[in-house]
Amino acid sequence: TQLLEQSPQFLSIQEGENLTVYCNSSSVFSSLQWYRQEPGEGPVLLVTVVTGGEVKKLKRLTFQFGDARKDSSLHITAAQTGDTGLYLCAGATGTASKLTFGTGTRLQVTL
Amino acid sequence: GAVVSQHPSRVICKSGTSVKIECRSLDFQATTMFWYRQFPKQSLMLMATSNEGSKATYEQGVEKDKFLINHASLTLSTLTVTSAHPEDSSFYICSASGKWDTQYFGPGTRLTVL
Repeated sequence: TQLLEQSPQFLSIQEGENLTVYCNSSSVFSSLQWYRQEPGEGPVLLVTVVTGGEVKKLKRLTFQFGDARKDSSLHITAAQTGDTGLYLCAGATGTASKLTFGTGTRLQVTL
Repeated sequence: GAVVSQHPSRVICKSGTSVKIECRSLDFQATTMFWYRQFPKQSLMLMATSNEGSKATYEQGVEKDKFLINHASLTLSTLTVTSAHPEDSSFYICSASGKWDTQYFGPGTRLTVL
């Protein structure tokens, strides 16, 4: 069974702080997605990374795919209250397009 | 971006009845759709993979006779929870697969079985 471990599981910070969420596995993925989910809603896609070592920036969010395509990180600069939510990484192995979801990181940003 | 809708968003039913949830890809054709279940404060758990024109593939431990999946067209998949019981109460989410195996999720359906 493939596992994607996210850390930390829960993070509570104040607005303006920086943070990094990690997504680690022993398996190699053909692509990796990051999603953010708010209570009572479906996950919303933030980014897809495909190439080992790839770095993508989305405003204050920076995503990195590990060189070996086994891990990824999400860095948020100057967090805002609107960043609050459940962050999920998900890896694809190319088999029937199935995704393996990470354990999730719940982020709370307060004023 | 790709848009996926789900209907209904919330449903309350009596124990023993069946409930159908629809998942539609609105602006793209999806050969493959997925159905997930999510418990409070937990990550998503894949229930089954739905392929257009063929039988769904269920994950281990998911009863195929209880959770009926039909994928009749490239834009519609349905999940029917048959003879629902309180333990089936959950948040059900569908997704449709796009490029690079990226999945686009619907807004979810909150099922409450009394």
